[in-house]
Amino acid sequence: AQSVTQPDIHITVSEGASLELRCNYSYGATPYLFWYVQSPGQGLQLLLKYFSGDTLVQGIKGFEAEFKRSQSSFNLRKPSVHWSDAAEYFCAVGAINTGTASKLTFGTGTRLQVTL
Amino acid sequence: GAVVSQHPSWVICKSGTSVKIECRSLDFQATTMFWYRQFPKQSLMLMATSNEGSKATYEQGVEKDKFLINHASLTLSTLTVTSAHPEDSSFYICSALNRQGGNQPQHFGDGTRLSIL
Repeated sequence: AQSVTQPDIHITVSEGASLELRCNYSYGATPYLFWYVQSPGQGLQLLLKYFSGDTLVQGIKGFEAEFKRSQSSFNLRKPSVHWSDAAEYFCAVGAINTGTASKLTFGTGTRLQVTL
Repeated sequence: GAVVSQHPSWVICKSGTSVKIECRSLDFQATTMFWYRQFPKQSLMLMATSNEGSKATYEQGVEKDKFLINHASLTLSTLTVTSAHPEDSSFYICSALNRQGGNQPQHFGDGTRLSIL
């Protein structure tokens, strides 16, 4: 069974500082990996995804993530955080079933607080 | 592109009432939609997978008679919480998968906050 661990429940960074949110996954084969962001009372917005190819993935809003198979990790990074980045961030893993529905398993989320 | 609309965004009703939540893919066809439940400060838990034209697949522990799912068209899935009680109060989120298949991410609606009095 697939699983996702986000070790940090809550992170606080200063505006302009760099950010790294950790994500470790467990899956028997090459996974599909995602990062979503959720603002309070809202649904989820896709930041970026990894399916194959280049292990450094660029996403929206200046975010990037790097897939490291040896460490089973898919950490999310941003070089300079903006106050509007404050939100809940979820890492998710999906099974590879090309052409069919892929169920996602979510991590418990990391709440990002940005101080001015 | 890839917009998913969920309605209503917030509903408050009395205990014993049945509540219907709609999930629509606005600019693409979705053969598969997913329904999640999220408790405060917790992650999303998959409740069921809804496939157009067939019965939904429920996750273990989810009562199919309590949470009725209908996916009658390629752009609409509905979740009906039957005889809702206070413990059903939660944030319900749907997502849709483009029928093109392949390497497609799920696109999420904005969620429905259900409060049962």
